[in-house]
Amino acid sequence: DVKVTQSSRYLVKRTGEKVFLECVQDMDHENMFWYRQDPGLGLRLIYFSYDVKMKEKGDIPEGYSVSREKKERFSLILESASTNQTSMYLCASSLGQVNTEAFFGQGTRLTVV
Amino acid sequence: DQQVKQNSPSLSVQEGRISILNCDYTNSMFDYFLWYKKYPAEGPTFLISISSIKDKNEDGRFTVFLNKSAKHLSLHIVPSQPGDSAVYFCAANVLGGSNYKLTFGKGTLLTVNP
Repeated sequence: DVKVTQSSRYLVKRTGEKVFLECVQDMDHENMFWYRQDPGLGLRLIYFSYDVKMKEKGDIPEGYSVSREKKERFSLILESASTNQTSMYLCASSLGQVNTEAFFGQGTRLTVV
Repeated sequence: DQQVKQNSPSLSVQEGRISILNCDYTNSMFDYFLWYKKYPAEGPTFLISISSIKDKNEDGRFTVFLNKSAKHLSLHIVPSQPGDSAVYFCAANVLGGSNYKLTFGKGTLLTVNP
C-alpha cells in the first residue's frame, strides 16, 4: 500500500511563527503536492513538485514556500504564520508520467492563534 | 475561474437508494477524471476514475459516467449505505500535462440516512 505520512495531525502555532509541515511518501513517486482544505472552498493547490529540487506554484502560493531535497520528502513552510492560514493541510503524491490517482496523507489541522 | 464545479454542496439520500453526485468542468483539455471520498479529519481517499476515451466506468457499487460534449460527469452509488456518508470531491487532470496536478471541485457532502 502507498503510504503518505504527514508529521503532525494537529498543530497550534502563534502568529508570526515559522511553521514547517513535513510529508513523506514511501512509493518512489515523482510528484508531490500540498493542498489546503477550507469549508466551502474545497481543495486548493498551494505548491507541487515533479522532481527533486523542482517546485511549481499552485493556485494559492502566497505566504508559503516548499522544499524538496529528497524524492520521498516534501516540506511546506509558512514563513510567518497568520490567522488566515488556519486550515487543514493535505499532502499528496502520485506516479509521474502517467494518468493515475494521487494518494493523500491523513492531513494536518493547523490552527494559528 | 473555477474549472471544476460541484454545484450541490450537499445531498441527502435514504439507505438503499441511489446517490447521484454531479460535476461539471470548463476546461476541454481535461482528459482524466477522478472521484475522492473524504471523512472528517482524514485525507481524501481515491474512489474511482475515468479516462476521456470512455463514457462509463464501474467498480462495485460505484459507477462514474462521463459526457464529454456536456463537460459533465456523475458518480452513482447503488445501493447507498450509511458508511458512504462523506464529502465527495470531483477532480480532473489536464491533457498532456507533465506534472499531473489535479484540479478539484469544492465537494458535495453526502448524507445517507438509515
